[in-house]
Amino acid sequence: SQQGEEDPQALSIQEGENATMNCSYKTSINNLQWYRQNSGRGLVHLILIRSNEREKHSGRLRVTLDTSKKSSSLLITASRAADTASYFCATEASRGSTLGRLYFGRGTQLTVWP
Amino acid sequence: DAMVIQNPRYQVTQFGKPVTLSCSQTLNHNVMYWYQQKSSQAPKLLFHYYDKDFNNEADTPDNFQSRRPNTSFCFLDIRSPGLGDAAMYLCATSRIDGLMSSYEQYFGPGTRLTVT
Repeated sequence: SQQGEEDPQALSIQEGENATMNCSYKTSINNLQWYRQNSGRGLVHLILIRSNEREKHSGRLRVTLDTSKKSSSLLITASRAADTASYFCATEASRGSTLGRLYFGRGTQLTVWP
Repeated sequence: DAMVIQNPRYQVTQFGKPVTLSCSQTLNHNVMYWYQQKSSQAPKLLFHYYDKDFNNEADTPDNFQSRRPNTSFCFLDIRSPGLGDAAMYLCATSRIDGLMSSYEQYFGPGTRLTVT
């Protein structure tokens, strides 16, 4: 399977702390994307990082990509209770007819306590 | 606001009774996707349309079919729902440009399907 695998499966922190989630994958990729999902809702795109990029920022979010280790991390700084959600990484493989196809990991459930 | 709309938000059907879920978009994206997501699991890609070209995933059951009559609309048909098909069904859109680069996906709120 080429889907990403997030680690940890669950993370519980206090408001103001940083949250780090990791994603590992198996095949070469075109890009890796992070999404957020509140309970029972659709997914919201956070950041897309392409295979030739190493780091991207968006507000309190920082994503890194290490293609040699086939891994990525998502850092949320100064977390808030409203950041409580499931976070998924998804990969688009670079082989075969995979253009536009995303394969999701199981996600990390983040809980931020006030 | 441009968005991805799914109807209905909640659908209850009987075992074996065909059901259709709908998705529409105002983003004018050339790619539309259907995912199945069961509780506490990853969204699983069922199929997608790149313009009018239909792309099925190898492990998508034959029970699931899709139609895309135009750019804006896409339908998911479940011919004979089983209890195992109860899940959240997510529609998403994206674009692939002329350089064959793909971009982020925009998701609808999902349709929660219950099979009784």
